[in-house]
Amino acid sequence: NAGVMQNPRHLVRRRGQEARLRCSPMKGHSHVYWYRQLPEEGLKFMVYLQKENIIDESGMPKERFSAEFPKEGPSILRIQQVVRGDSAAYFCASSPLGQGATGELFFGEGSRLTVL
Amino acid sequence: QQPVQSPQAVILREGEDAVINCSSSKALYSVHWYRQKHGEAPVFLMILLKGGEQKGHEKISASFNEKKQQSSLYLTASQLSYSGTYFCGTEIGSNYQLIWGAGTKLIIKP
Repeated sequence: NAGVMQNPRHLVRRRGQEARLRCSPMKGHSHVYWYRQLPEEGLKFMVYLQKENIIDESGMPKERFSAEFPKEGPSILRIQQVVRGDSAAYFCASSPLGQGATGELFFGEGSRLTVL
Repeated sequence: QQPVQSPQAVILREGEDAVINCSSSKALYSVHWYRQKHGEAPVFLMILLKGGEQKGHEKISASFNEKKQQSSLYLTASQLSYSGTYFCGTEIGSNYQLIWGAGTKLIIKP
């Protein structure tokens, strides 16, 4: 049973370009979370999605960032017109449990975005 | 709102014990502990629900004091494989969203 798969593992973009990060949750998991981590810091919640629905995007910047989790295919975190401050590791986690339930999160290996 | 972890870093010799603390200013529904090695994904250790329970995972155990709004992670007879950064994630109310501490870096020397 494959774990949470994220790609690309490393992405380099120039300022103003777009970054697309993909996350395939574990089989049977329909709940996906995106987190951002700066070096030597903890994880910062960005967005929680279920299939075809954004449940909570309170941690997402209002502009340039968007996320989706379509019925078919991976969840995608999209960052438009990237700036140097977007450089970070972006982790995706999945869970089989729904909102209001407390359970283990299964993390992917992360996508490390570097903006030149 | 972010929980405070202490210490920020600790260096141990193999076989020594360590305690990592996680304190919140808010009432907690649950506390989650994860370990992350450099450049890797965080890995789940355990969840503690309110009720003051204590859990164990091999030589790693934890307690949760909901009155004090804090949790402690205990590592006994540490092994080299325990090295990494330990994060606590706190759940305030049963709303699935975790607020993470800044992490405690644990270095184990042979």
